[in-house]
Amino acid sequence: DSGVTQTPKHLITATGQRVTLRCSPRSGDLSVYWYQQSLDQGLQFLIQYYNGEERAKGNILERFSAQQFPDLHSELNLSSLELGDSALYFCASSRETGGRTEAFFGQGTRLTVV
Amino acid sequence: AQKITQTQPGMFVQEKEAVTLDCTYDTSDPSYGLFWYKQPSSGEMIFLIYQGSYDQQNATEGRYSLNFQKARKSANLVISASQLGDSAMYFCAMREGRGNQFYFGTGTSLTVIP
Repeated sequence: DSGVTQTPKHLITATGQRVTLRCSPRSGDLSVYWYQQSLDQGLQFLIQYYNGEERAKGNILERFSAQQFPDLHSELNLSSLELGDSALYFCASSRETGGRTEAFFGQGTRLTVV
Repeated sequence: AQKITQTQPGMFVQEKEAVTLDCTYDTSDPSYGLFWYKQPSSGEMIFLIYQGSYDQQNATEGRYSLNFQKARKSANLVISASQLGDSAMYFCAMREGRGNQFYFGTGTSLTVIP
């Protein structure tokens, strides 16, 4: 168990809908990362938060947004869903930023858009 | 240029044998961290091993060791005494010293043959 909790584990929804994915980082970790893993794109970095503030942005669509709350949990909001958004969404957390800190991943949320 | 390159899409190894999974990286930052993760068929991402750019010795964690060749910019994962449970996807990742996101390779699928 990595200590990172993601809910829900599975989500099936229709095109055009909006969903929220939730992540609780490991105790003491200030950084939260969101990644999207699809079969044809590999692991794509979406966004990072550090202690409530956005720190880095990757290939995140405008239809997607995220935030980190004062208790450090994070939510990833996906709206106007398309079939191509079907993927495994990972949250990871680390104690700090910088090269020398590993990130621990949650079990992921498998999103299926039908 | 790709930050992380894994050139072996699939590898096979006999049970109890050792196997090396290749990873090369590209960065101009003198401070960086290199990581290996395992993703079994269940989907979770499991942290295996870490190597810092300033570390003098190769990292080891149980049956996992990292063959770090800085001049060649390679960070190969060596798994000794392979077990059936080692069958999984393996991802190499890097984070630069002043960076935030983790860059992932495309992964290597390892199959251990009994």
